[in-house]
Amino acid sequence: GAGVSQSPSNKVTEKGKDVELRCDPISGHTALYWYRQSLGQGLEFLIYFQGNSAPDKSGLPSDRFSAERTGGSVSTLTIQRTQQEDSAVYLCASSRVETQYFGPGTRLLVL
Amino acid sequence: AQSVTQLGSHVSVSEGALVLLRCNYSSSVPPYLFWYVQYPNQGLQLLLKYTTGATLVKGINGFEAEFKKSETSFHLTKPSAHMSDAAEYFCAVSDHTGTASKLTFGTGTRLQVTL
Repeated sequence: GAGVSQSPSNKVTEKGKDVELRCDPISGHTALYWYRQSLGQGLEFLIYFQGNSAPDKSGLPSDRFSAERTGGSVSTLTIQRTQQEDSAVYLCASSRVETQYFGPGTRLLVL
Repeated sequence: AQSVTQLGSHVSVSEGALVLLRCNYSSSVPPYLFWYVQYPNQGLQLLLKYTTGATLVKGINGFEAEFKKSETSFHLTKPSAHMSDAAEYFCAVSDHTGTASKLTFGTGTRLQVTL
């Protein structure tokens, strides 16, 4: 069956621009998660959604980061006024119960 | 709060040799534990998981792991390494206090398999 998909697969942007990253979870998965993978910080939790609500936003690194989920399905992670330290791979995962299934990630490079 | 420690950021084994990747965890609740594998430029693929029940769990590609509560460990093993096993491996613990819960990952172990 279809797995978690993310778009774009790669994004190059200039410092100060806004970017939107998209995640399509596995159909029927009620929980959706965003993680960031970077050389210096490893794999970090950012935010998760249960349905359309986000009970835990504790991992968002600053108020430049926001996320939403609509219709209990697609999620968008938005980074405003990007900085070079935002360069990383952004991974999305979804789950029905305890096991999270990951997408291929979006590789973001901020110049 | 949960945490995971993976000893050895790089492990090198010969093809056909035993693979042992170490993982120790800390958790304030009975843990759910996972091993994921990441191939270059790809996402994370689930290898195996422990939630409850049998402490020796088998996963894909011949890997297995044993949950040892007394040692707070969940080491990953494979009897005979293949070249295709070369990848980065992540151990993770889940904060399963609700219907959805975040994963806390270790820093990863890169496995190299040599001829």
